[in-house]
Amino acid sequence: GQNIDQPTEMTATEGAIVQINCTYQTSGFNGLFWYQQHAGEAPTFLSYNVLDGLEEKGRFSSFLSRSKGYSYLLLKELQMKDSASYLCAVRDSNYQLIWGAGTKLIIKP
Amino acid sequence: TAGITQAPTSQILAAGRSMTLRCTQDMRHNAMYWYRQDLGLGLRLIHYSNTAGTTGKGEVPDGYSVSRANTDDFPLTLASAVPSQTSVYFCASSDSIAGGNEQFFGPGTRLTVL
Repeated sequence: GQNIDQPTEMTATEGAIVQINCTYQTSGFNGLFWYQQHAGEAPTFLSYNVLDGLEEKGRFSSFLSRSKGYSYLLLKELQMKDSASYLCAVRDSNYQLIWGAGTKLIIKP
Repeated sequence: TAGITQAPTSQILAAGRSMTLRCTQDMRHNAMYWYRQDLGLGLRLIHYSNTAGTTGKGEVPDGYSVSRANTDDFPLTLASAVPSQTSVYFCASSDSIAGGNEQFFGPGTRLTVL
């Protein structure tokens, strides 16, 4: 079966750095996405990785290791508005997205 | 720019009744998707359409049907609702199914089946 694993919840302090991990087992791999979802809202796109390595976009970076079936999302200089759920999704061999259950990130002052 | 709109925002429906959730996008995207999101679970794909005139089944298609008569609209129909279909439903679209093309999501429809 296909599986995406993420921690259920994480807590971090404003101004700090947090790393959210994602491991996956899917039938095929055609890219990995990270989305942000605030409570009661729709998911919004953060990053896309298809090759191994680090993609940096402002305060957010995403890393991929295809051989390990592993990705992480790194958030720097945390702000209160970063309190949200972060969703990891893998595009499988059928070009469909398989989604993790999401990691709820709580930011404390 | 509207992006993707969904209607209604929320609905309470009696079991056994039918209902159509509407989804319209103005980005001229080729691909459209319907997901349901339940607490503790990831988004699950119900049906998808890679291009106007074609549809396909996702992970949880039973009890749902879709049509894609044109590029912009992708309605989801529940023929005879059951309580297990209580969920938040998101419609999404992307320019294509491949590459780095991200999916854009509508605001969601919160459906309660009693």
